[in-house]
Amino acid sequence: AQTVTQSQPEMSVQEAETVTLSCTYDTSENNYYLFWYKQPPSRQMILVIRQEAYKQQNATENRFSVNFQKAAKSFSLKISDSQLGDTAMYFCAFMITNTGNQFYFGTGTSLTVIP
Amino acid sequence: NAGVTQTPKFQVLKTGQSMTLQCAQDMNHEYMSWYRQDPGMGLRLIHYSVGAGITDQGEVPNGYNVSRSTTEDFPLRLLSAAPSQTSVYFCASSYRIGGEATKETQYFGPGTRLLVL
Repeated sequence: AQTVTQSQPEMSVQEAETVTLSCTYDTSENNYYLFWYKQPPSRQMILVIRQEAYKQQNATENRFSVNFQKAAKSFSLKISDSQLGDTAMYFCAFMITNTGNQFYFGTGTSLTVIP
Repeated sequence: NAGVTQTPKFQVLKTGQSMTLQCAQDMNHEYMSWYRQDPGMGLRLIHYSVGAGITDQGEVPNGYNVSRSTTEDFPLRLLSAAPSQTSVYFCASSYRIGGEATKETQYFGPGTRLLVL
């Protein structure tokens, strides 16, 4: 079975500070990709960052970076210099590639950036 | 490109009614999927397709049918709506892994909010 666990239902951070969102997953597959998606109140799902499981180097996208620990099956998201527009629900997900590009999502972390 | 489009944006149904949620993409993606999002549950896969004429069940397929007659369209049918199907439905599409190495992600539509009374 494939599972994704986000243990922090809600988090808050002061504007310009740094925050880390946690995610762990479980799979027996070897080939997969990991993602963080952002869902603002508009409900649109927006890709934040992507990590290939076969790559040891952690992915970065501007203010967003991940800490990928494959052995521990951990995939945390760090947001630096938090901005008001970062307020949203954040979903961790992974995709197995054997068939169908099936995605498995966590239950989400609601992040509020406080001015 | 319009990306992934979904219609309608919002729908109210009575228990027992049937309807079709429409999904279309103009990116020539092979893979398409339907998810439902419920409070506190994240997104759960209903059905998916790896190409025209090929569909398969996801995690929560009961009460839903799909078909994929063209690459662009992937409609989701509710056969007999139930209050438990009240949810937000997302359609998504993606390339096949390895088809274009830089695009291993799913692109999501804006969602359809469904209320079953």
